Amino acid sequence: ETGVTQSPTHLIKTRGQQVTLRCSSQSGHNTVSWYQQALGQGPQFIFQYYREEENGRGNFPPRFSGLQFPNYSSELNVNALELDDSALYLCASSSPGQGAGNEQFFGPGTRLTVL
Amino acid sequence: AQTVTQSQPEMSVQEAETVTLSCTYDTSENNYYLFWYKQPPSRQMILVIRQEAYKQQNATENRFSVNFQKAAKSFSLKISDSQLGDTAMYFCAFVISGNTPLVFGKGTRLSVIA
Repeated sequence: ETGVTQSPTHLIKTRGQQVTLRCSSQSGHNTVSWYQQALGQGPQFIFQYYREEENGRGNFPPRFSGLQFPNYSSELNVNALELDDSALYLCASSSPGQGAGNEQFFGPGTRLTVL
Repeated sequence: AQTVTQSQPEMSVQEAETVTLSCTYDTSENNYYLFWYKQPPSRQMILVIRQEAYKQQNATENRFSVNFQKAAKSFSLKISDSQLGDTAMYFCAFVISGNTPLVFGKGTRLSVIA
């Protein structure tokens, strides 16, 4: 069973640029959630994709957008980068109906630095 | 809105000793799940233990156990026989049900000292 993978591991961008982060969900999982973890903070929910449709969104502006593909992998896109977007971006996959309290399996994250 | 509060930003414990991390949460829901996640320096979030709100019995997982007090909305984590590998950030998290997102606390940095 393959776990959740994310790419790239690290990324450095400048203000105003655009970035795309990628996530491959765990085998058998059709739901992907994205979280932003600022330094010293807990993860904050950005949005979730279920079967290629956005299925909930946290308090993030529209310049944060995403996609989910037929194989359930996902992308997070951030436009017009701001310094405050510097954070660890975590992807988590899950599958409704598998019970066990909706356990979400996390990837290792992408560290984004905006200069 | 659901919130999770971890009041201990940092804690330390001697190897082989026991430590308890605190967590309180706020929700008007009756059915939900609570989790403790561990995030070592490698950054990967790892599930430590899970508790279903409808179960009165406290969850245990080897050296890890919880004290779940539903009325007080409290969910503390006890780590027994602490090991150096337990050094990490620990996050308390909450989810209602269905495919809803996790709500995390700000975390507690635990250092296990040899």
